[in-house]
Amino acid sequence: GAVVSQHPSRVICKSGTSVKIECRSLDFQATTMFWYRQFPKQSLMLMATSNEGSKATYEQGVEKDKFLINHASLTLSTLTVTSAHPEDSSFYICSVGGLSSYEQYFGPGTRLTVT
Amino acid sequence: TQLLEQSPQFLSIQEGENLTVYCNSSSVFSSLQWYRQEPGEGPVLLVTVVTGGEVKKLKRLTFQFGDARKDSSLHITAAQPGDTGLYLCAPGPNDYKLSFGAGTTVTVRA
Repeated sequence: GAVVSQHPSRVICKSGTSVKIECRSLDFQATTMFWYRQFPKQSLMLMATSNEGSKATYEQGVEKDKFLINHASLTLSTLTVTSAHPEDSSFYICSVGGLSSYEQYFGPGTRLTVT
Repeated sequence: TQLLEQSPQFLSIQEGENLTVYCNSSSVFSSLQWYRQEPGEGPVLLVTVVTGGEVKKLKRLTFQFGDARKDSSLHITAAQPGDTGLYLCAPGPNDYKLSFGAGTTVTVRA
């Protein structure tokens, strides 16, 4: 399966600042990547679908101006949390589609804590 | 958005016991996937089921896809502490919307 990395694995930032999270597909060219958010003891919630070379598609209730997604290459998508607030503290996970259209592979996640 | 319901939400069993986790929906899926997630890590794909009625085995784990492709089950035989984790089902990316079930937290006590 595809190998996916995320950076950083953990980040702590102050309220009002912006944080960028990177998602890399290390061995597979991904035209589509997905961004999820997971709160403690809850399941993954899809935030947006990142499309290489075009605008991301956001799920209902997700603010596109707050969660900026850039998918500039086939191996890298970035999620920037702008003007972060404590309620944005969460575990952010990306995934990429696999070689089969049925598969997707997840990154290890990024723990964001906003103080 | 396709909604997946997982049951039970929590399951705590003794090592050596068997367990079954269910994933149900009113929608028909072209494929369905099962993942296991450990704390602080991303989900790891266990299996993808595609054909209605399909049964796949992965060592002590048996996955079944319903005939109508609306539901699935995961059965673990002789559970071990290493099976502890959050089990998630999700439609494959080929379906229009990706929506994970709420997950089943499995704890296997030694």
